[in-house]
Amino acid sequence: AQSVAQPEDQVNVAEGNPLTVKCTYSVSGNPYLFWYVQYPNRGLQFLLKYITGDNLVKGSYGFEAEFNKSQTSFHLKKPSALVSDSALYFCAVRGINTGGFKTIFGAGTRLFVKA
Amino acid sequence: NAGVTQTPKFRVLKTGQSMTLLCAQDMNHEYMYWYRQDPGMGLRLIHYSVGEGTTAKGEVPDGYNVSRLKKQNFLLGLESAAPSQTSVYFCASRNVAGRPGETQYFGPGTRLLVL
Repeated sequence: AQSVAQPEDQVNVAEGNPLTVKCTYSVSGNPYLFWYVQYPNRGLQFLLKYITGDNLVKGSYGFEAEFNKSQTSFHLKKPSALVSDSALYFCAVRGINTGGFKTIFGAGTRLFVKA
Repeated sequence: NAGVTQTPKFRVLKTGQSMTLLCAQDMNHEYMYWYRQDPGMGLRLIHYSVGEGTTAKGEVPDGYNVSRLKKQNFLLGLESAAPSQTSVYFCASRNVAGRPGETQYFGPGTRLLVL
């Protein structure tokens, strides 16, 4: 079965420190991997995605993510966190065996950045 | 472009009442989705559509019906609302079939409270 795990409900970092939000996945075949961010009372916004090619993907607002096939992980990173990065982050996976139509979302990780 | 819009933004229902949530997109996207978001559970797919006149069940379809009579609109119906359907509902759309790496675009959400 296809699945996405975000092992941390919450991540706390100080402003200016690097941040990592973890994501692991299980899917048959090549995965298409996504990160979305949700600010309070808003819909999800796309941050970045991995389709193929370079394992390090750069996205919006200075975020990046590294695809690691052997560890089936797609962790979200940022070198220097901002208070404005505080939000709910979702990892998602789409694969041929999910029908090619459906995206499976993780439960979300809430990021708190302290000033 | 307005992107993906949802109507209404907030609604309170009594148990047993019915309602319809409307999703509209102006990006000419083929695929449309309805998700519900509950704390600690991420986004769960209710129903989806891969084109005008087609619908399919997602993970949690019970108690909901959908229709896609026009390409730009995707309606979610609750025939007899139950307290378990209290949630935040998100609509999303995505571009053409055969391109599984395409990003989903989300609406701002509808908060539904069933008493």
